[in-house]
Amino acid sequence: QKEVEQDPGPLSVPEGAIVSLNCTYSNSAFQYFMWYRQYSRKGPELLMYTYSSGNKEDGRFTAQVDKSSKYISLFIRDSQPSDSATYLCAMSVPSGNTGKLIFGQGTTLQVKP
Amino acid sequence: SQTIHQWPATLVQPVGSPLSLECTVEGTSNPNLYWYRQAAGRGLQLLFYSVGIGQISSEVPQNLSASRPQDRQFILSSKKLLLSDSGFYLCAWSVRGIKNQYFGPGTRLTVT
Repeated sequence: QKEVEQDPGPLSVPEGAIVSLNCTYSNSAFQYFMWYRQYSRKGPELLMYTYSSGNKEDGRFTAQVDKSSKYISLFIRDSQPSDSATYLCAMSVPSGNTGKLIFGQGTTLQVKP
Repeated sequence: SQTIHQWPATLVQPVGSPLSLECTVEGTSNPNLYWYRQAAGRGLQLLFYSVGIGQISSEVPQNLSASRPQDRQFILSSKKLLLSDSGFYLCAWSVRGIKNQYFGPGTRLTVT
């Protein structure tokens, strides 16, 4: 079993839809959770990060962590064609200086005008 | 502000040839540095990370090596490329003790 599981998609939605992207994980020690957005042929960019459980909102984006279920989500409201990209979840344990992250496979999202 | 550079952007190399990819970070000191490979349609595979000059940790046994000759410079090398070395190579940095990583633009390597 992989430490982090993410449905690769692709996920296709109409413009304006609410998008839900999800990851599940097996290591209960994970405390830091991140979402990256990667446009085609570009490096990933950090979109949101959260520590431990709860929600975090930034504009049209909401990151949610449910540690009891080992499940994290990224919601995109009023999705736009410019949101079309691959979304990668990443997570880490709190200890250590290495900063190593465990990434999901990524979900490809297409928002159709 | 911090900036991360990678070069070259694209590279086509024959099997058996050497490789050198370079990554530099500006605007920060003592960063942690990382090399990843991303195969088509797949996630990120951590290859090497470094917490300081000359300190390299390898995550997977393979045909590649890494070096950190200066604080903000990270180099990925190979003496003889294999077809399986093709992929998208990404360099990333983070502030020591902080988990957030920031990625460079990547190098697309095709081994023919």
